Amino acid sequence: EDKVVQSPLSLVVHEGDTVTLNCSYEVTNFRSLLWYKQEKKAPTFLFMLTSSGIEKKSGRLSSILDKKELFSILNITATQTGDSAVYLCAASPNSGGSNYKLTFGKGTLLTVNP
Amino acid sequence: DAMVIQNPRYQVTQFGKPVTLSCSQTLNHNVMYWYQQKSSQAPKLLFHYYDKDFNNEADTPDNFQSRRPNTSFCFLDIRSPGLGDAAMYLCATSSLYGYTFGSGTRLTVV
Repeated sequence: EDKVVQSPLSLVVHEGDTVTLNCSYEVTNFRSLLWYKQEKKAPTFLFMLTSSGIEKKSGRLSSILDKKELFSILNITATQTGDSAVYLCAASPNSGGSNYKLTFGKGTLLTVNP
Repeated sequence: DAMVIQNPRYQVTQFGKPVTLSCSQTLNHNVMYWYQQKSSQAPKLLFHYYDKDFNNEADTPDNFQSRRPNTSFCFLDIRSPGLGDAAMYLCATSSLYGYTFGSGTRLTVV
């Protein structure tokens, strides 16, 4: 059975801190790993990673995938209160074309205090 | 803008009273998904359509049904909602470049 494990489950930091969120996965015929930010609504897409060792960046957020060790990290630098959310990691198998199911981790609840 | 739209955003239904949640997409993606997300839990896939081919997850209760009359629309029918079915229901579509989620429907069962 495919499995995605995120750590820590929750994290409290102060504005300006840098945080690293972890995601490990066990997925048969792995294709890609996705990161989402979820506030009190549907998940918002952050990154999709398919290649090992290539960092993706978007502003203060960055992520990288290690397909040998089967994990990914999401970094957020200079955190702001608006970064407070649940960060979800999801992995998908290679089922061909655009049809693929996501297995989600339980998420990391990040709280950024002023 | 191309997007995935779910209606309504909030739905309150009575215990045992059938309810239908709707999803539409303007992305013209051929795959659509329904996920259930309970409080503080990860989204859980209920079923998905590849075009008109329906794929049910093994542990999806029979109480949950789905219809996809055309590429743009997909419906989730809960035949007899129980208190345990209260959750956020997420509709999504996928392409080679990733998933697009709708805004979700939060279902309350009273």
